[in-house]
Amino acid sequence: SQTIHQWPATLVQPVGSPLSLECTVEGTSNPNLYWYRQAAGRGLQLLFYSVGIGQISSEVPQNLSASRPQDRQFILSSKKLLLSDSGFYLCAWRPRGASGNTIYFGEGSWLTVV
Amino acid sequence: QKEVEQDPGPLSVPEGAIVSLNCTYSNSAFQYFMWYRQYSRKGPELLMYTYSSGNKEDGRFTAQVDKSSKYISLFIRDSQPSDSATYLCASVDTGRRALTFGSGTRLQVQP
Repeated sequence: SQTIHQWPATLVQPVGSPLSLECTVEGTSNPNLYWYRQAAGRGLQLLFYSVGIGQISSEVPQNLSASRPQDRQFILSSKKLLLSDSGFYLCAWRPRGASGNTIYFGEGSWLTVV
Repeated sequence: QKEVEQDPGPLSVPEGAIVSLNCTYSNSAFQYFMWYRQYSRKGPELLMYTYSSGNKEDGRFTAQVDKSSKYISLFIRDSQPSDSATYLCASVDTGRRALTFGSGTRLQVQP
């Protein structure tokens, strides 16, 4: 069966510090991968999605970036965090083929920028 | 205007009640519709997935889609305290392949 791992689960970072969140998917090949952010009391905002290694589409201009160095690995980064970057970050994957019309989420990473 | 609108609640019901959660969408390109359940501080989990207009039932849950009015619903029968969570509706168009979410409705089932 397929599983998705996301880490770290919780982190507190000072303003101006770098960020790296990692996500890996097991049990599937060539998935579509996504990063969403959920601010407190708000819905899910799509940040990035990737259809393959090195292929990243950005949905929202910001100080975040994403990379996909391997087929099942997706990384969210920032060089300098802002207070407004605080939130719940969710990695998700979508299978290829006939069942590929929905996505499955990881457990999320809680980021507090102080 | 948001592409998917959802009443944020909170919605409080007694145990055993029938719950109705609703969303509207504006993008005619949306073809697939999902409901996710999200417990506090957890990632959303897929509850229901449907494509066509009509009803789809899974245990105590029924998803309903009316494409003519761009209206999607989730019904929960015999609600339980364990159903207390935030419910997110989502839609996807075949072009972009990324889900667009409503803001979520927080449900509290009182024992």
